[in-house]
Amino acid sequence: KAGVTQTPRYLIKTRGQQVTLSCSPISGHRSVSWYQQTPGQGLQFLFEYFSETQRNKGNFPGRFSGRQFSNSRSEMNVSTLELGDSALYLCASSLALKQGPVSGELFFGEGSRLTVL
Amino acid sequence: QKEVEQDPGPLSVPEGAIVSLNCTYSNSAFQYFMWYRQYSRKGPELLMYTYSSGNKEDGRFTAQVDKSSKYISLFIRDSQPSDSATYLCAMSGRAGGSYIPTFGRGTSLIVHP
Repeated sequence: KAGVTQTPRYLIKTRGQQVTLSCSPISGHRSVSWYQQTPGQGLQFLFEYFSETQRNKGNFPGRFSGRQFSNSRSEMNVSTLELGDSALYLCASSLALKQGPVSGELFFGEGSRLTVL
Repeated sequence: QKEVEQDPGPLSVPEGAIVSLNCTYSNSAFQYFMWYRQYSRKGPELLMYTYSSGNKEDGRFTAQVDKSSKYISLFIRDSQPSDSATYLCAMSGRAGGSYIPTFGRGTSLIVHP
C-alpha cells in the first residue's frame, strides 16, 4: 500500500515569490491535513480538508491556502513568501469519518522542505 | 504557556537503558494521546496511542496517561541505537467535527552503542 506522497521534496524560493506544494494521500483516506514544522515552533497545524471542504484551520495568515480535489489529492499554496516561511511542510492523511477520525492517527509524508532566500 | 510542553533534549543514553519521555499539557478537553517517532529527514510515524487515562504496552514501548496530573509518558525498554530519533507527543479532542492533534516540540533521543 503506497504511503503519503509529497512533491517536491526540496525547493528554494526568494522572498515575494509564491509556492505550491502537492500531496497524494493514502488510497481511501479522505482527510488531508497540512503542518508546518520548524525547529523553534515544532509542528503547527495549518488546515485540514475532508471531501474537498476545509474543515479546520490553524492560526496562519491568509497567505497560506489550500485545496482538495475530488480524488482527495491536496495542494497548499503560500503567496508572497517571507524568510520565516522556511520550514518543512508536512502533509498527513487519515481514515477520518465524516463525524471524526477513527483514532486520530495521522499518516505523514516525508515533507517538502522549503527554503526562502 | 503552550498547550503541550515537551523538553526538546537532547537526551543521550547508553544502549540497553530504559528511556523515559514526558509531556505535560493544559487543555483538559484532550481525550486521545499519541506518541510519534520522527527519524531525520522523514515524516513522523505513529508509535502509540491511548484514549483517556491508563497504560498501554506494545513490545518495548509503554505509554502512560495521567489525566489528573495532565502528564503523559513514553517508556522505552532495552533501548537500541535504532531508537535514536525525535519523539513527539500529540493530543487531541473534538473540535469542529475533527480531532486535530496538538503536537509537542519533540524530544531528541540519542542511544549510543
